[in-house]
Amino acid sequence: NAGVTQTPKFRILKIGQSMTLQCTQDMNHNYMYWYRQDPGMGLKLIYYSVGAGITDKGEVPNGYNVSRSTTEDFPLRLELAAPSQTSVYFCASSHLGGQISYNEQFFGPGTRLTVL
Amino acid sequence: KNQVEQSPQSLIILEGKNCTLQCNYTVSPFSNLRWYKQDTGRGPVSLTIMTFSENTKSNGRYTATLDADTKQSSLHITASQLSDSASYICVVSAIVTGTASKLTFGTGTRLQVTL
Repeated sequence: NAGVTQTPKFRILKIGQSMTLQCTQDMNHNYMYWYRQDPGMGLKLIYYSVGAGITDKGEVPNGYNVSRSTTEDFPLRLELAAPSQTSVYFCASSHLGGQISYNEQFFGPGTRLTVL
Repeated sequence: KNQVEQSPQSLIILEGKNCTLQCNYTVSPFSNLRWYKQDTGRGPVSLTIMTFSENTKSNGRYTATLDADTKQSSLHITASQLSDSASYICVVSAIVTGTASKLTFGTGTRLQVTL
């Protein structure tokens, strides 16, 4: 049981390049999330999904896209990388979402992205 | 605006000592409050989750308290170990709609336990 896995662990992009951050969970969770963590800041929600085929914007979605074709996978796409997207990206999943009290989110190990 | 503030920003303690981390929030309507531990280079791992009706919850040497009236929470670590060196993040969940909530993350307290 691997939990939430993310690839790659590290990546350096040039301005304008594109890439996809991969996220997979093996816990059969319906809810999945993408966050970014900037130095000295709290995690910010980029996009989330409540199930296969359903995605929605979070707090900071500009410059990103997502898809959810299966329950297990939730890739995050950067189309035109910008220096402002330099950050650590975390994928998370939970069994339940909404206001269910104990909808614990399980986080992946993160992807450190640098855009130069 | 929903906010979560943590103090101190960083803390250094000797192994075996106790410490308390603070979290103040202005999130409403309140659903629950979580404490996460984040080791360097890793994702956050949940320590405790508390609803408004719970004022204390323990997980081993970690004890979280919640005062929903003053909107304050604390995380107490007893008999610290070197492995407790990490960032501790306070996260507050607000009810957005009948079935949706929003998490607001604090910036964390970076704890270093030394010999």
